[in-house]
Amino acid sequence: EVQLVETGGGLIQPGGSLRLSCAASGFTVSSNYMSWVRQAPGKGLEWVSVIYSGGSTYYADSVKGRFTISRDNSKNTLYLQMNSLRAEDTAVYYCARENTIYGTIDYWGQGTLVTVSS
Amino acid sequence: SSELTQDPAVSVALGQTVRITCQGDSLRSYYASWYQQKPGQAPVLVIYGKNNRPSGIPDRFSGSSSGNTASLTITGAQAEDEADYYCNSRDSSGNHLGHVFGTGTKVTVL
Repeated sequence: EVQLVETGGGLIQPGGSLRLSCAASGFTVSSNYMSWVRQAPGKGLEWVSVIYSGGSTYYADSVKGRFTISRDNSKNTLYLQMNSLRAEDTAVYYCARENTIYGTIDYWGQGTLVTVSS
Repeated sequence: SSELTQDPAVSVALGQTVRITCQGDSLRSYYASWYQQKPGQAPVLVIYGKNNRPSGIPDRFSGSSSGNTASLTITGAQAEDEADYYCNSRDSSGNHLGHVFGTGTKVTVL
């Protein structure tokens, strides 16, 4: 059974840093495309970043240069390092797996809330 | 980056049919996926590819597409179908290959 469990969210001051983790089970993270998607309170879904099985990474313009996606193959875990956080980064952050055949995100974690506020 | 536009809200009588549309340039190149999201829960994939349903998704959900528009149809809507629905596709605009989500449609079952 595919499972994704995010941790690491919390309250952080503007300008601060936070690292989110996503522990995967039931499949191999390094063999799949993995994304982070966020949802601000009361708002829609926003794609944040992807790491391909080959290691290439891409980011939404809104986080480029501030966020870094990575993975630890030995731990089967995905990460999102978030620096220079802003109030507008406040959201629930979801870890998600992509079905590369169809280009669709097929599994989601339960999400972790990041609140950027002084 | 690309944009996908959806109507903000639609309503449907119990047992009737409702169609939700999604428009955007990326849909000329990529199939849309559709997600159902209920309050406080993660999104759930309901349609992907040309018109595929994951295991466990009722066959009252179906998808179609033409040009820059994708549609999700719920035939015989049930009370439990009341939720927010988002479309999504790959996005190859700019210098990256990522994803783009629609603006979301709130479906109310009357």
